[in-house]
Amino acid sequence: DAKTTQPPSMDCAEGRAANLPCNHSTISGNEYVYWYRQIHSQGPQYIIHGLKNNETNEMASLIITEDRKSSTLILPHATLRDTAVYYCSPNAGGTSYGKLTFGQGTILTVHP
Amino acid sequence: DGGITQSPKYLFRKEGQNVTLSCEQNLNHDAMYWYRQDPGQGLRLIYYSQIVNDFQKGDIAEGYSVSREKKESFPLTVTSAQKNPTAFYLCASKGTVSSRREKLFFGSGTQLSVL
Repeated sequence: DAKTTQPPSMDCAEGRAANLPCNHSTISGNEYVYWYRQIHSQGPQYIIHGLKNNETNEMASLIITEDRKSSTLILPHATLRDTAVYYCSPNAGGTSYGKLTFGQGTILTVHP
Repeated sequence: DGGITQSPKYLFRKEGQNVTLSCEQNLNHDAMYWYRQDPGQGLRLIYYSQIVNDFQKGDIAEGYSVSREKKESFPLTVTSAQKNPTAFYLCASKGTVSSRREKLFFGSGTQLSVL
């Protein structure tokens, strides 16, 4: 299983960009990098995923380093509602449904 | 709307009692997962099932059991052998279609407490 390392907590001012890093140095060639977030006492929700190219959707951007050993989730204009725990998780893509694990996550606090 | 439903939202267990947490999905997903979350901690994998009538242990399977008799259902039993069952339990499912949009869908969780 690919292991992940994330900072335990980060702060961000409302309206500024939040950049959340994740180290996944043991990621396999066919594993995608997925990001989820969890608001208190709810189930995690999908944000974005990528294999080796940078990705953007309506929620966030994902930057993956060329060697794929780390990635950064970017929330371009953080709001108070973005306060949550953010999980980075390498997963096998395609039709492989093996063991899917998560790290400890990063608690992001957005303050006024 | 398709989704994944966990019940009950809150559950209490007496000492020595087995309790079963329900997880149902109508997304036609093959794979289903159970995670445990303790306060301030990440998600730890208990059991997962990639197909009906088959399941594998995750990282913390001791004291838990599961069954997968139907594609839609993946109940988790917390047995009396689990000495510290108080936690937030999350069920998830993942699609079968080979698509870039594949992702985990989570239920809203069950909070289990010991009386």
